[in-house]
Amino acid sequence: NAGVTQTPKFQVLKTGQSMTLQCAQDMNHEYMSWYRQDPGMGLRLIHYSVGAGITDQGEVPNGYNVSRSTTEDFPLRLLSAAPSQTSVYFCASSYSGTGGGLFFGSGTQLSVL
Amino acid sequence: KQEVTQIPAALSVPEGENLVLNCSFTDSAIYNLQWFRQDPGKGLTSLLLIQSSQREQTSGRLNASLDKSSGRSTLYIAASQPGDSATYLCAVGYGQNFVFGPGTRLSVLP
Repeated sequence: NAGVTQTPKFQVLKTGQSMTLQCAQDMNHEYMSWYRQDPGMGLRLIHYSVGAGITDQGEVPNGYNVSRSTTEDFPLRLLSAAPSQTSVYFCASSYSGTGGGLFFGSGTQLSVL
Repeated sequence: KQEVTQIPAALSVPEGENLVLNCSFTDSAIYNLQWFRQDPGKGLTSLLLIQSSQREQTSGRLNASLDKSSGRSTLYIAASQPGDSATYLCAVGYGQNFVFGPGTRLSVLP
């Protein structure tokens, strides 16, 4: 049982490049979400999904895109990377939305030059 | 809008002390409250999950309480050890999402 798996662990991009952060869970969780964590800012919600085919915006969605075609996968796309998107990104999932506890992936350290 | 705060922001104690970390939230309409531990450069590890109908949860030297009506939770760590040094975050299940506090950075000195 792998839990929540994020790839890659580290990534360096140049301004304007695009990329996809991958997130997969094998716990059959309906709820999945993406956070970014910046020093002094805490964890901020980017996008979330309450089931396959359903996504919604969180607190800081601009510059990011998501889709949820399967229960297992919830990729986060950076459309045109900017230095302000330098951060640590975490994917998390929960069995029954906010009724269950959150399980986190190990994170992706992203640097945009 | 739900807001979650944590006091203190940082705490330094000698090894062996019992300590309490505090988490407060503004709207009592929560589904649950979860305490996490985060080591530097690492992900978040779940410590305890308290459902809204529960008053407390215990795991080893950790005990978390929940008072929904007053909007407060406490994490009690007994007989602290240097290995407990980390940032501790609380999060409440609220609406369709989870709202996080800013964390308490704990240092346990040998």
